[in-house]
Amino acid sequence: NAGVTQTPKFRVLKTGQSMTLLCAQDMNHEYMYWYRQDPGMGLRLIHYSVGEGTTAKGEVPDGYNVSRLKKQNFLLGLESAAPSQTSVYFCASKSASYYYGYTFGSGTRLTVV
Amino acid sequence: EDQVTQSPEALRLQEGESSSLNCSYTVSGLRGLFWYRQDPGKGPEFLFTLYSAGEEKEKERLKATLTKKESFLHITAPKPEDSATYLCAVQGDTGRRALTFGSGTRLQVQP
Repeated sequence: NAGVTQTPKFRVLKTGQSMTLLCAQDMNHEYMYWYRQDPGMGLRLIHYSVGEGTTAKGEVPDGYNVSRLKKQNFLLGLESAAPSQTSVYFCASKSASYYYGYTFGSGTRLTVV
Repeated sequence: EDQVTQSPEALRLQEGESSSLNCSYTVSGLRGLFWYRQDPGKGPEFLFTLYSAGEEKEKERLKATLTKKESFLHITAPKPEDSATYLCAVQGDTGRRALTFGSGTRLQVQP
């Protein structure tokens, strides 16, 4: 089925460990985003990309890095995980037109202990 | 800075009891206001996009309306399967092309 696929779905990390979350979309969308969702705080933008090879910071970028080497993939990296990064992470993509909203992945639940 | 405030935080309805969810926003040059539905453990699912004041969209028991300052999601004769968190988001005219989300309204419909 067409859409946005996130891997892994669940992960437990120890403080200081690193990991990469992968987002893949097969809709040929230009724009891709990483959000985190915490109780009572809604979805907050971490980083985003408006095209292959480009990335930019969102509202809460500290402690995260991203890369978009291929149009269909957007990677989110945690270099040294902290308990404050315990959250549910959502990837989304959209076309370049203003007239369409996001298509979301199903999320990655990350716990940092 | 774009801002979105949703109210109430939580709402409990009896099946068939109609109500409305509110989304107040401030945005520089509204390009679109979006409503999403999110079920537990899943990603948000797109419902509606509204572009200009006075616009209305409908889907089954849901109807979204838009003014210059707020949007309402009206739920008519809800059923238990309408239970979910409803998210509102806006897109302004910045080059970022990113949505700013509210914190959502958690709706529970009891049989």
